[in-house]
Amino acid sequence: GAGVSQSPSNKVTEKGKDVELRCDPISGHTALYWYRQSLGQGLEFLIYFQGNSAPDKSGLPSDRFSAERTGGSVSTLTIQRTQQEDSAVYLCASSYGLAADTQYFGPGTRLTVL
Amino acid sequence: SQQGEEDPQALSIQEGENATMNCSYKTSINNLQWYRQNSGRGLVHLILIRSNEREKHSGRLRVTLDTSKKSSSLLITASRAADTASYFCATLDGGFKTIFGAGTRLFVKA
Repeated sequence: GAGVSQSPSNKVTEKGKDVELRCDPISGHTALYWYRQSLGQGLEFLIYFQGNSAPDKSGLPSDRFSAERTGGSVSTLTIQRTQQEDSAVYLCASSYGLAADTQYFGPGTRLTVL
Repeated sequence: SQQGEEDPQALSIQEGENATMNCSYKTSINNLQWYRQNSGRGLVHLILIRSNEREKHSGRLRVTLDTSKKSSSLLITASRAADTASYFCATLDGGFKTIFGAGTRLFVKA
């Protein structure tokens, strides 16, 4: 079956512009996660969805970041008024059920803010 | 700050040698997972060890867990050049947040 997909694979934008990153999880997976990874660093947790609900939004770096999930499937991470420090790879993962389950990762979106 | 900490940060070995990476964490866990990442993109799940397990094997991988010391180790035996990657441990913080360490960058020389 298809794995987790993310689009776009690369995004270059100018400082101050808004961007939307998309994640298509594995069909049937109820849990969805967003992470951010700066160059050479580990993964920074951003947000977790169980179905369409996000019980834990504590990882979002600022109010410029928001995420939604509709129909228990596709998720969009939106960054408003992008800053250069937002440049990173944004990774999405999904799992079958609980947050403790094995997570399956997408290939990521590399965001570059000029 | 991240609760998972791997060491060493980087490891360079010859093909055929064994590679050992360690991970420490801070909170109580239900399980601990190891992931591998090639070329800075998507991670691939390697192995999951539950809190009531002490050791687990999968092919050339061996993972140990010591909950009293809040630490885990990943051993890759008979390493290959294709094992060159970054390796991360991951735990839950007690809620829904998955905590990844900074990772160990493994380089296997052919």
